[in-house]
Amino acid sequence: AQTVTQSQPEMSVQEAETVTLSCTYDTSESDYYLFWYKQPPSRQMILVIRQEAYKQQNATENRFSVNFQKAAKSFSLKISDSQLGDAAMYFCAYRSAWETSGSRLTFGEGTQLTVNP
Amino acid sequence: DTAVSQTPKYLVTQMGNDKSIKCEQNLGHDTMYWYKQDSKKFLKIMFSYNNKELIINETVPNRFSPKSPDKAHLNLHINSLELGDSAVYFCASSQGTGAYTQYFGPGTRLTVL
Repeated sequence: AQTVTQSQPEMSVQEAETVTLSCTYDTSESDYYLFWYKQPPSRQMILVIRQEAYKQQNATENRFSVNFQKAAKSFSLKISDSQLGDAAMYFCAYRSAWETSGSRLTFGEGTQLTVNP
Repeated sequence: DTAVSQTPKYLVTQMGNDKSIKCEQNLGHDTMYWYKQDSKKFLKIMFSYNNKELIINETVPNRFSPKSPDKAHLNLHINSLELGDSAVYFCASSQGTGAYTQYFGPGTRLTVL
């Protein structure tokens, strides 16, 4: 079974600065997908970014980018020019590309990000 | 124009009661899910339906029974509620069971007293 680990329960960053959230995962599969979801105090789960394992290029979405290291099974999220609205719980998630494994998302424990003005 | 909606958003009830949570998506997706987020914010899948067929059924007490009347709806019925059932329940949907992104509803906070 796949596992996802986020070793930083809490992180903080100054507004306008850059922060990196860590995520590692364990899998024996070669094809899979990785996601970062954001959960602000409103509780809504919002997709931040997605990475396909077969793609070598790191995904980017505006101020959000990932550092995907397949061999190391590492998938970190970098937030540039942090804004107050980025304050939230961030979840890393894994999804198998093999339909026989089902279509479940396996989540990490989450990292609570605080943005200081 | 809400994509995935859940009702109710808050549910407070007594132990032993039976309650239902409803989920609807207007994205045209054919796969829907229920996830449970516990008090430590850990999220775990409970069920998944594809075209009204149950495809994922995690180790969940049989007091929990999902029902999908059509592709756009997935309801969760819980019998004989227990204190440990208190959590936030999220519905999600995706197009297909492959690599497609899952879109989440706003969650239902269930409190069992």
